[in-house]
Amino acid sequence: KQEVTQIPAALSVPEGENLVLNCSFTDSAIYNLQWFRQDPGKGLTSLLLIQSSQREQTSGRLNASLDKSSGRSTLYIAASQPGDSATYLCAVRGMDSSYKLIFGSGTRLLVRP
Amino acid sequence: EPEVTQTPSHQVTQMGQEVILRCVPISNHLYFYWYRQILGQKVEFLVSFYNNEISEKSEIFDDQFSVERPDGSNFTLKIRSTKLEDSAMYFCASIPGGRYGELFFGEGSRLTVL
Repeated sequence: KQEVTQIPAALSVPEGENLVLNCSFTDSAIYNLQWFRQDPGKGLTSLLLIQSSQREQTSGRLNASLDKSSGRSTLYIAASQPGDSATYLCAVRGMDSSYKLIFGSGTRLLVRP
Repeated sequence: EPEVTQTPSHQVTQMGQEVILRCVPISNHLYFYWYRQILGQKVEFLVSFYNNEISEKSEIFDDQFSVERPDGSNFTLKIRSTKLEDSAMYFCASIPGGRYGELFFGEGSRLTVL
């Protein structure tokens, strides 16, 4: 059964720092992995979708990498801003069932001005 | 930019009552989903819907739950007899084109069962 873990659970950094959020999954047989942002009490905003055949995807200051064989993904945020404060979730779509995403618990990020 | 819209944003109900949560997916999307998030817990898959039928459902999605696409645009989740443990944020989501694509979520409907 696929399990997704995100470390750290919470992170507080000063504005301007580059940071890395980690996501690991137990079953490497995945179609893709998606990173989301969730603001308190709000829905999930898709940040990046990375297919199993890809090593990384970039969008603006965000870069997601995927190492499928080791069951890991990282989300790199460059030059963090207070507006980046949110919970970041990763989710995988496994080959055992292509319809659903399995989510991690998220990393709660606070960027201090 | 098109978005998934959900109503109501918050509903409070008594245990045992029926609740219907509504969603309008993005118009050209083909795959529809319901997920839920109990406060402080992970986002969990409930059900997927394609071509007017359920494609997959989780063990959470028991006989108390049902989904419908009554008019080709709305997508509803019905809980027949709510329990305290149904209190959660319910998210509708959809994918354009193929089922391996990027999932787009609505803002959620918060359900509080008293």
